[in-house]
Amino acid sequence: DAKTTQPNSMESNEEEPVHLPCNHSTISGTDYIHWYRQLPSQGPEYVIHGLTSNVNNRMASLAIAEDRKSSTLILHRATLRDAAVYYCILRDLEMNYGGSQGNLIFGKGTKLSVKP
Amino acid sequence: GAVVSQHPSWVICKSGTSVKIECRSLDFQATTMFWYRQFPKQSLMLMATSNEGSKATYEQGVEKDKFLINHASLTLSTLTVTSAHPEDSSFYICSALLDIQETQYFGPGTRLLVL
Repeated sequence: DAKTTQPNSMESNEEEPVHLPCNHSTISGTDYIHWYRQLPSQGPEYVIHGLTSNVNNRMASLAIAEDRKSSTLILHRATLRDAAVYYCILRDLEMNYGGSQGNLIFGKGTKLSVKP
Repeated sequence: GAVVSQHPSWVICKSGTSVKIECRSLDFQATTMFWYRQFPKQSLMLMATSNEGSKATYEQGVEKDKFLINHASLTLSTLTVTSAHPEDSSFYICSALLDIQETQYFGPGTRLLVL
């Protein structure tokens, strides 16, 4: 899986939008962009994923650059419960699911702090 | 979203004993499950990939005889830490792959402390 680069940490104020960037300049045409987040002492939680078009769900929006070399996870109104480590991960859809090719490779992610 | 459970959520054991951790996909069937380990202030590291009805595939450096994985059904995978030692103390997290969404759903994790 191609590598991603994220800022180590970001701060936000409660009820304000948050834009979490991710660079993936070596992304291939079949790589999906996945976002997960991990709250303290919990397993990661799926947030959103996309391929080329921007995506929206109840949790967040994913904006993907036209050249796909970067993407941004958008939390429209941050709450205190959104404080977590956010991981941007590339996943090649064409890889087999057997063996380690199906797994997600976690980097260090971005630690988001939300101030009241 | 899809739900994955783990049991127990935490366990304390003596050095030399074995500990079994269960991972269940509650509302979907998963032919593939993954086991991760996370040490304090570090990211998740994949230990092994568990495929229903076949042997697990272990990552380099993970001892298959120490970390026994069984995936006997489409909703259950187990990880047994055999002869646990203090250095095995960690946060163990499983995930299950929901094929139709190409997405992994994670369990809440099991915190293991070996004394």
